[in-house]
Amino acid sequence: EVTLLESGGGLVQPGGSLRLSCAASGFTFSDYAMTWVRQAPGKGLEWVSSISGSAGSTYYADSVKGRFTISRDNSKNTLFLQMNSLRDEDTAIYYCAKAGWGVYSSHYWGQGILVTVSS
Amino acid sequence: EVVLEQSPGTLSLSPGERATLSCRATQSVGSSYLAWYQQKPGQPPRLLIYAASTRATGIPDRFSGSGSGTGFTLTITTLEPEDFAVYYCQHYGSSPFTFGQGTRLEI
Repeated sequence: EVTLLESGGGLVQPGGSLRLSCAASGFTFSDYAMTWVRQAPGKGLEWVSSISGSAGSTYYADSVKGRFTISRDNSKNTLFLQMNSLRDEDTAIYYCAKAGWGVYSSHYWGQGILVTVSS
Repeated sequence: EVVLEQSPGTLSLSPGERATLSCRATQSVGSSYLAWYQQKPGQPPRLLIYAASTRATGIPDRFSGSGSGTGFTLTITTLEPEDFAVYYCQHYGSSPFTFGQGTRLEI
């Protein structure tokens, strides 16, 4: 059974940093791309970033490019999102998701973790 | 950048009826890299359809996807009470892998 468990969320001041983690189990982690998607309160889904299985390719939404960094540790089956220079508009539930085989559709999702940026 | 426009914004139907949701792209979505997700309040999204028309694991056959290029459709043939939710399309052929704004399916 695929399981994805996000951690590291919380309250941070504008301009601050936070590192999200996503612990994965139930599949061969290094074989699959992974993605972060966020959802601001009462809003729709926003794709944030994706990373290939080998970590050789990374992709970012323009809204986070230069501020967020996606990475993964395949030896520990863990996905990360380093978030710097946080803004009020980064407040959202952040979901990690497992991609399909060879594609970037999100086939399994974690329960999500809340990040609140506020002074 | 591919922008996805979903219509209608809200669809009001009754159990037993047929639902047709549309997703239009501003550019052709290569090789039908188009997915549909369902989201209920307080829950993460759930993948319904990928590659435009392939049902994900465990998805009932009342859900079907069709389309190619710039026009895609999600059809729910006979609505069940549990189908009332928000539905999103997403393209994943080239970055950024944007979502549509969603269609709310309400009773």
